[in-house]
Amino acid sequence: GQQVMQIPQYQHVQEGEDFTTYCNSSTTLSNIQWYKQRPGGHPVFLIQLVKSGEVKKQKRLTFQFGEAKKNSSLHITATQTTDVGTYFCAGGLGAGSYQLTFGKGTKLSVIP
Amino acid sequence: NAGVTQTPKFQVLKTGQSMTLQCAQDMNHEYMSWYRQDPGMGLRLIHYSVGAGITDQGEVPNGYNVSRSTTEDFPLRLLSAAPSQTSVYFCASSLGTSGGTDTQYFGPGTRLTVL
Repeated sequence: GQQVMQIPQYQHVQEGEDFTTYCNSSTTLSNIQWYKQRPGGHPVFLIQLVKSGEVKKQKRLTFQFGEAKKNSSLHITATQTTDVGTYFCAGGLGAGSYQLTFGKGTKLSVIP
Repeated sequence: NAGVTQTPKFQVLKTGQSMTLQCAQDMNHEYMSWYRQDPGMGLRLIHYSVGAGITDQGEVPNGYNVSRSTTEDFPLRLLSAAPSQTSVYFCASSLGTSGGTDTQYFGPGTRLTVL
């Protein structure tokens, strides 16, 4: 079945440092979504990428979708303590598929 | 709009007991799903529904039943609880215009412990 691998599993950074999490799929994705889950909370949608090579930015967050639509990354510039949480990618196979496959997430800790 | 609501927030069961986790959404979403979240395992799909009267299995369906009699509600039933079902359960919904691959709106979760 489709698998979405996400690395690293954990990341500890000093406040102000950058952070990147990577997502790789064994198959071509129709789209990829990114979610953030704060400690004790539920996943909250951040963004969706659909096009090959697409890059989107949200303030300090930069999201990329690979040319082959099999990988994606989330980069946070100059982390803040409010960035703490687990970041999940989720891939869709598109037409005819009714499931999103989630990566296992990257848990980000920010040391003040 | 309340969005996606789940009840209860916390539940402790004994092995062999049955219970129903409730999920409701008021956004007129066609697609609803149940996930379980275990440490280091991410979110795993249990069951999903593309509309009222239609349900299907996800990645980890064993030990769980679902039904979808209305657009709004999607309860998850544990028939005979086992310790392996100790987890955090999230219900999610989406418009369903792209099957289940459009933006998911998650409920606050139910934290279940089976002793």
